[in-house]
Amino acid sequence: EPEVTQTPSHQVTQMGQEVILRCVPISNHLYFYWYRQILGQKVEFLVSFYNNEISEKSEIFDDQFSVERPDGSNFTLKIRSTKLEDSAMYFCASSSDTAKHYEQYFGPGTRLTVT
Amino acid sequence: AQRVTQPEKLLSVFKGAPVELKCNYSYSGSPELFWYVQYSRQRLQLLLRHISRESIKGFTADLNKGETSFHLKKPFAQEEDSAMYYCALRRSRSQGNLIFGKGTKLSVKP
Repeated sequence: EPEVTQTPSHQVTQMGQEVILRCVPISNHLYFYWYRQILGQKVEFLVSFYNNEISEKSEIFDDQFSVERPDGSNFTLKIRSTKLEDSAMYFCASSSDTAKHYEQYFGPGTRLTVT
Repeated sequence: AQRVTQPEKLLSVFKGAPVELKCNYSYSGSPELFWYVQYSRQRLQLLLRHISRESIKGFTADLNKGETSFHLKKPFAQEEDSAMYYCALRRSRSQGNLIFGKGTKLSVKP
């Protein structure tokens, strides 16, 4: 069964550095999402992406964040200048209008640690 | 604002006992409600959705619009049910982002 994949599984970076988290959604999916989960807190929506543009974003998704689909397979989340509070698990998800009820399939997550 | 509340952080039961994981939501419209499960070292995966009215792995959940609840139930818990369970709300298919509760850790003891 096709799966969403994410790399790396764990990223450690210093405060102020740029990081790029990578996701490969399921190949025929059209809708892409990023969520994050700070340790001990709820999974929070960051951004959704469809037809090569952001369709919705949360208050968390400020100018420090950007998303891109640089080619036909990857979907990336960039954090320009990381802060300590960006430390979290970042989940990518994808769905399709052909998937039953637009079910979202999640990747395994990237643990980002900002020191 | 939309909100999903799961009041229990941890629920511990013995194998064979009934389980009820509580979920309440606040949303003025007619949302879609889901239960996601995350087994140890595995990814988040959809367990069930209210519009399907299905039973998955013996679990059921009924949407109660009057009480704005979507509690997850299973009559006889199994050890393999031990996992994190997240209730989630979606405002509509066109607004596909999920709003999650904090999750309940279910521990089923032998």
